[in-house]
Amino acid sequence: AQSVTQLGSHVSVSEGALVLLRCNYSSSVPPYLFWYVQYPNQGLQLLLKYTSAATLVKGINGFEAEFKKSETSFHLTKPSAHMSDAAEYFCAVRPYNQGGKLIFGQGTELSVKP
Amino acid sequence: NAGVTQTPKFQVLKTGQSMTLQCAQDMNHNSMYWYRQDPGMGLRLIYYSASEGTTDKGEVPNGYNVSRLNKREFSLRLESAAPSQTSVYFCATPGPAGTEAFFGQGTRLTVV
Repeated sequence: AQSVTQLGSHVSVSEGALVLLRCNYSSSVPPYLFWYVQYPNQGLQLLLKYTSAATLVKGINGFEAEFKKSETSFHLTKPSAHMSDAAEYFCAVRPYNQGGKLIFGQGTELSVKP
Repeated sequence: NAGVTQTPKFQVLKTGQSMTLQCAQDMNHNSMYWYRQDPGMGLRLIYYSASEGTTDKGEVPNGYNVSRLNKREFSLRLESAAPSQTSVYFCATPGPAGTEAFFGQGTRLTVV
């Protein structure tokens, strides 16, 4: 069965510092990959997605992620953290031929210190 | 979120009570999904429906039933609620591009 692993349930950075949230997936065939953000008491919002086009994917709010097939990774980065980036982030994979279901990682809570 | 509407937004149940969570989408997709979110576990699929009239179990279906009433509506029923079903429940359907999932705002359920 496919799985998604997010390293670090909680990450804390200072405002202006680099944000790096790690995601690894298990799949023999590159699937669709996603990053979602969830602000407190809200639903999930799509940040960005990889669908086998460019390996470096740019999303909203200055975030980007790089698909690395050799490392089965899809890490999320942002050059300079802002206080408003504090939220929970989920990596997800959509396996092929499984009806569009998503498999989620455990989530990483990002804190941003002033 | 525009496109997927869940009701209610909050609910407190006593153990053994039943309730139905409602979901409606206006994105005109055939597929709909129910997930539950628990701390440290991400989101897990409960049930999904590939089209009107069809439903299939996901990863954690025990204690739940679903009904795909029509193309727009997909409901989740708890027949006899248990404290282990305290969670946040999300309904989803494919987004505009058809690849990602588009989520409702969630139903926060507490079973005491």
